[in-house]
Amino acid sequence: EVQLVESGGGLVQPGGSLRLSCAASGFSFSDYWMSWVRQAPGKGLEWVAKIKEDGSEKYYVDSVKGRFTISRDNAKNSLYLQMNSLRADDTAVYYCASEKWYYFDYWGQGTLVTVSS
Amino acid sequence: QSALTQPPSASGSPGQSVTISCTGTSSDVGGYNYVSWYQQHPGKAPKLMIYEVRKRPSGVPDRFSGSKSGNTASLTVSGLQAEDEADYYCNSYAGSNNVVFGGGTKLTVL
Repeated sequence: EVQLVESGGGLVQPGGSLRLSCAASGFSFSDYWMSWVRQAPGKGLEWVAKIKEDGSEKYYVDSVKGRFTISRDNAKNSLYLQMNSLRADDTAVYYCASEKWYYFDYWGQGTLVTVSS
Repeated sequence: QSALTQPPSASGSPGQSVTISCTGTSSDVGGYNYVSWYQQHPGKAPKLMIYEVRKRPSGVPDRFSGSKSGNTASLTVSGLQAEDEADYYCNSYAGSNNVVFGGGTKLTVL
């Protein structure tokens, strides 16, 4: 059974940092592109970042470029999102998702990030 | 990277069919056959329902179907059931390894 389990969310002040983790199991993690997708409270889905199977390519939505960094550790079957210079509009549930040809076939349950003073 | 346009709401009675539209541009929906649809129940993670415009993952009922014409993709749910009540999001490849979601449609089963 495929499982994606996010962790690391919480309350952080504006300008602060947070590192999200996603533990993968039940599939060959190193064979998949992986993405982070977020959902602000009561709002729609927004793709945030993606990383190639071997970590050699990374892509970001414009609003997080220069502030967020996606990474992975295939030996640990884990995906990460380092978030710096956080703003109130980064408040959202962050999902990790496996990606295959530009669609997301498996999703985690999400972790809530709240940016507030 | 503008969001795709979906109607905020749609509804139908049990057994009926309902179609949800997803309008983009020639740079996303119209330019690629990489449109996908996701179902999300309240408080739950999204679930893949349709990929590559019209393909269904294993386990998704054949009541769900997808299509595309020009810059507009559509999701049709036939034989509506109570459990189909959820939010639905479309997604499309938009070039340069970017993807874009629609704003979402709340489907109500009357």
